[in-house]
Amino acid sequence: DAGVTQSPTHLIKTRGQQVTLRCSPKSGHDTVSWYQQALGQGPQFIFQYYEEEERQRGNFPDRFSGHQFPNYSSELNVNALLLGDSALYLCASSPLEGNEQFFGPGTRLTVL
Amino acid sequence: SQQGEEDPQALSIQEGENATMNCSYKTSINNLQWYRQNSGRGLVHLILIRSNEREKHSGRLRVTLDTSKKSSSLLITASRAADTASYFCATGMDTGRRALTFGSGTRLQVQP
Repeated sequence: DAGVTQSPTHLIKTRGQQVTLRCSPKSGHDTVSWYQQALGQGPQFIFQYYEEEERQRGNFPDRFSGHQFPNYSSELNVNALLLGDSALYLCASSPLEGNEQFFGPGTRLTVL
Repeated sequence: SQQGEEDPQALSIQEGENATMNCSYKTSINNLQWYRQNSGRGLVHLILIRSNEREKHSGRLRVTLDTSKKSSSLLITASRAADTASYFCATGMDTGRRALTFGSGTRLQVQP
């Protein structure tokens, strides 16, 4: 049983560009959450999707948007990239019951 | 913004010693979780303690929770070099559908 997978592993973009990150949840999970982790900091919640809708959102601008597909996989889109968007982006999926979130390995985004 | 703070920010010990990390949080919670992160990769769930529990054990891990002081501690006994990682506490509400709020982490170095 595969865990949470994310692609790509690493990404380098320039300021002003747009980026799409992808996440496949663990089998049987219907909820996907996205987190941003700056170097030396703890992860910060971006938003959460289930039933193909954004259900909760953290303190992030509208440049950050997402989508969830019928197979529960998800995308995170960031427009008009800023240098400060450089971070590790983590996807987590949640089981139908329980409180634990299972994290993927992350996508390292570097904005030059 | 981070929900809480881990203390200490960094900890260096010898193999075989015990490591204690503390976490403080600000708002009422239903559960508190501890995660481990190796070298800036994905987070691994270690243990969850509910707000009505005071202590919980899992292998070499012992977690305590004091809701009156809004604090928790993680004890790793008989540490090993493989325990070298960053450790984060995260607070959450009742179900996996809720966002987790992370602290800033403790970086543990276990010297062989």
